[in-house]
Amino acid sequence: KQEVTQIPAALSVPEGENLVLNCSFTDSAIYNLQWFRQDPGKGLTSLLLIQSSQREQTSGRLNASLDKSSGRSTLYIAASQPGDSATYLCAVHSGNTPLVFGKGTRLSVIA
Amino acid sequence: DAGVTQSPTHLIKTRGQQVTLRCSPISGHKSVSWYQQVLGQGPQFIFQYYEKEERGRGNFPDRFSARQFPNYSSELNVNALLLGDSALYLCASSPPGTGKAFFGQGTRLTVV
Repeated sequence: KQEVTQIPAALSVPEGENLVLNCSFTDSAIYNLQWFRQDPGKGLTSLLLIQSSQREQTSGRLNASLDKSSGRSTLYIAASQPGDSATYLCAVHSGNTPLVFGKGTRLSVIA
Repeated sequence: DAGVTQSPTHLIKTRGQQVTLRCSPISGHKSVSWYQQVLGQGPQFIFQYYEKEERGRGNFPDRFSARQFPNYSSELNVNALLLGDSALYLCASSPPGTGKAFFGQGTRLTVV
């Protein structure tokens, strides 16, 4: 059974800092991994999708990496801004199985 | 293009009542999935439908049911509501062959 863990559970940083969010999964036989952003009480916004054959994906200030063999992914946020404050969720897709989510990392960027 | 739309956005129900939540996928997406997210947790899978057929079911009681219509929209029904059913219910649709999920804004259900 796939399990996804996100560390840390919460993170508070001053504006302008670069930061890394971590995601680990127990079964390396994945199809893809997706990072989402969730604002309080809202739905999920897809940030980046990494296919199992890829090592990383970039979008603006965001960079996600994938090391399938070690069961790890990181989301790197450069030059953080107060608007980046949200919960970041990692989800793993293993073929015909549904997405399995971590509990998320709650990020606060302080101006 | 419109994203995944869910209705209603919020509702309050009494224990024992029944509720129906609705989801319209992105045009061209034939797969719809439902997730339950309780406060402080990641979303948990409830159902997946593809081409109007159930493709998967999570570890939820039979009080939960769903269906998908010919236009690929979907309904999630929950009977005999319990306080523990209070959660954000999320619907996601996926285009064929990509494995990428697009989520709606969710329906916040409060059971009192």
